[in-house]
Amino acid sequence: AQSVTQPDIHITVSEGASLELRCNYSYGATPYLFWYVQSPGQGLQLLLKYFSGDTLVQGIKGFEAEFKRSQSSFNLRKPSVHWSDAAEYFCAVGAGGSARQLTFGSGTQLTVLP
Amino acid sequence: DGGITQSPKYLFRKEGQNVTLSCEQNLNHDAMYWYRQDPGQGLRLIYYSQIVNDFQKGDIAEGYSVSREKKESFPLTVTSAQKNPTAFYLCASGQRREAVGEKLFFGSGTQLSVL
Repeated sequence: AQSVTQPDIHITVSEGASLELRCNYSYGATPYLFWYVQSPGQGLQLLLKYFSGDTLVQGIKGFEAEFKRSQSSFNLRKPSVHWSDAAEYFCAVGAGGSARQLTFGSGTQLTVLP
Repeated sequence: DGGITQSPKYLFRKEGQNVTLSCEQNLNHDAMYWYRQDPGQGLRLIYYSQIVNDFQKGDIAEGYSVSREKKESFPLTVTSAQKNPTAFYLCASGQRREAVGEKLFFGSGTQLSVL
């Protein structure tokens, strides 16, 4: 069975600074990988996903993520954070194409300082 | 606007009571899902349905029940057998595309609390 770890429970950055959120997964083959974002009291929105091809994936809102097989990682990055990026971010890993097989990480809460 | 609507936004349950959370989608998606979210934890799958009149248990189905009589609707009942029902409940729908993985669309959630 797959598993996913988000080592950072809470991250604080200043507006305009760069951001990297960590995600490590455990799975024997190449997994489906996702990053979702959740604003307070809301549902989740997909930022980006990866299964194959170019290991650097571009998403919405200026986010990108890089798949590194050797490190079993799928870290999320953004070069310049905006105050509106404050939210909780979830990494998810799937063994197959169906969401039935998804495992979500415990999330990273992002605070953005003015 | 296409999307998923969950209601109510807040719900309170008394001891021994069953309560039902509503989830409706107009995205024409075949698959629908119910997740439970507790503070500091990821989402955990309660039930899912990939087609009308069929549904399957997820990882934490005990104390919950669902129905899927219409493609658009997937209500979740939290029964009195669920001893710790306080949580944020999220409904999602998706259309599976094997090559790129299923993208989930989420509702805005229902916060259930016990009185």
